[in-house]
Amino acid sequence: SQTIHQWPATLVQPVGSPLSLECTVEGTSNPNLYWYRQAAGRGLQLLFYSVGIGQISSEVPQNLSASRPQDRQFILSSKKLLLSDSGFYLCASKDGGAGTGEKLFFGSGTQLSVL
Amino acid sequence: AQSVTQLGSHVSVSEGALVLLRCNYSSSVPPYLFWYVQYPNQGLQLLLKYTTGATLVKGINGFEAEFKKSETSFHLTKPSAHMSDAAEYFCAVSPSGGYQKVTFGTGTKLQVIP
Repeated sequence: SQTIHQWPATLVQPVGSPLSLECTVEGTSNPNLYWYRQAAGRGLQLLFYSVGIGQISSEVPQNLSASRPQDRQFILSSKKLLLSDSGFYLCASKDGGAGTGEKLFFGSGTQLSVL
Repeated sequence: AQSVTQLGSHVSVSEGALVLLRCNYSSSVPPYLFWYVQYPNQGLQLLLKYTTGATLVKGINGFEAEFKKSETSFHLTKPSAHMSDAAEYFCAVSPSGGYQKVTFGTGTKLQVIP
C-alpha cells in the first residue's frame, strides 16, 4: 500500500509571507495526487489535483498554487499568505487508471495558522 | 458534476446503540461511493467503498453501508457503537469511468456517550 509523507505537521506564518508544503508518496507509481483543505464546518475542499507530472487542475480560484515536479512529489505554494488560508491541509494519493475506484491514501496533514 | 450531502454535522449516540450516519449524493454518471473516518489531527482512513456489485458493503470495525440508487443514498450504519468509534466521518463520491476527482461531504462528528 501507499505511504504519504507530508510536512511540516504544524506551521505558523505571518500574513504576506510565502508558503511551501511538500508531499511525497511511496509505494506506487504514476498516482493521482490531491491537495485538500479542511476547515471547520466545510468538510474537505478539493484545492488541486494532478494526474501526472506537470499536470495540475485547480478546483477553486484562490491565493494558492500547486506543482508536481516529479511523479511522486506534490507541492502546495503561495507567494503571499492571507488570513483565510489558515486551515488543515491534507495531501492524498490514489492509484491511477481509469475508473478503478481505488481508495485515497492520506497524509497526516499540516495545520497552518496565518497570523 | 457531483456533490455529497451529509445530514447532521454532529451525531450523538449511547454506547451500544445503533449508529446511523446519512449521506446523499448526486452524480451525472454511475458513482463510486466511499466512507472515510478521521481521528483528531490525523489524515483520513477508508472505512468502506462501493464500486459495483452487491449494494450492501461491509467495512472495517463493524461498519456497513448500503447503496440505494433510487434514493441516491449511501448511509453508514453500525449495530452497536463503541467508545472508539468517536471520530469524524466523511462520505465521498467519485465518478466511475475514468475521471479521477473525489468530492467529499462536510463530515459528521460522531460522539459516543458512555
